[in-house]
Amino acid sequence: ETGVTQSPTHLIKTRGQQVTLRCSSQSGHNTVSWYQQALGQGPQFIFQYYREEENGRGNFPPRFSGLQFPNYSSELNVNALELDDSALYLCASSLAGLAGSTEQYFGPGTRLTVT
Amino acid sequence: TQLLEQSPQFLSIQEGENLTVYCNSSSVFSSLQWYRQEPGEGPVLLVTVVTGGEVKKLKRLTFQFGDARKDSSLHITAAQPGDTGLYLCAGATSGTYKYIFGTGTRLKVLA
Repeated sequence: ETGVTQSPTHLIKTRGQQVTLRCSSQSGHNTVSWYQQALGQGPQFIFQYYREEENGRGNFPPRFSGLQFPNYSSELNVNALELDDSALYLCASSLAGLAGSTEQYFGPGTRLTVT
Repeated sequence: TQLLEQSPQFLSIQEGENLTVYCNSSSVFSSLQWYRQEPGEGPVLLVTVVTGGEVKKLKRLTFQFGDARKDSSLHITAAQPGDTGLYLCAGATSGTYKYIFGTGTRLKVLA
């Protein structure tokens, strides 16, 4: 186990609704990255948070937003859900700022289904 | 746009056979990671390579980072059914912790 936890495990939402996914990072890690993994594909980078600020963003629209809290846990919010948002959402924690340490550890993911 | 292409996409082999999975890009990466992912779970980190030409061994798995840091390979010796899974490579460019993932190689090892 990596020590990274995510909730909920599974979620079913209707098109147009909003969803919040949560992630607790591994103890001592200050950076959280969020990824979207569609069925049969590799994870796609959504954004990264470092010390409570967004530190890079992938090719996702503004309706994908996030937060990082002082304890380094994080939330991913998706507004106006679309059918194509159905995917496994993964968060990964890492310790940024330590020379040579770029390893990230993934949580088990949240499976979101939009109907 | 940075892309990491993996080959083959699918591989089905018999227990005891050897195999190699490739990860190629036109971009230079400061580090590259290999993961294995099982259905319904998050990717599990296998190894990180950071130096061009670096070779790392993890039991029956051998990882190599290309001299130019644009490509990598994963070689499995004497594959076992427990090696079955989706193998992903992911590269990070200098100055960022953003990882670009490859397309994945789905391996099935038959007993």
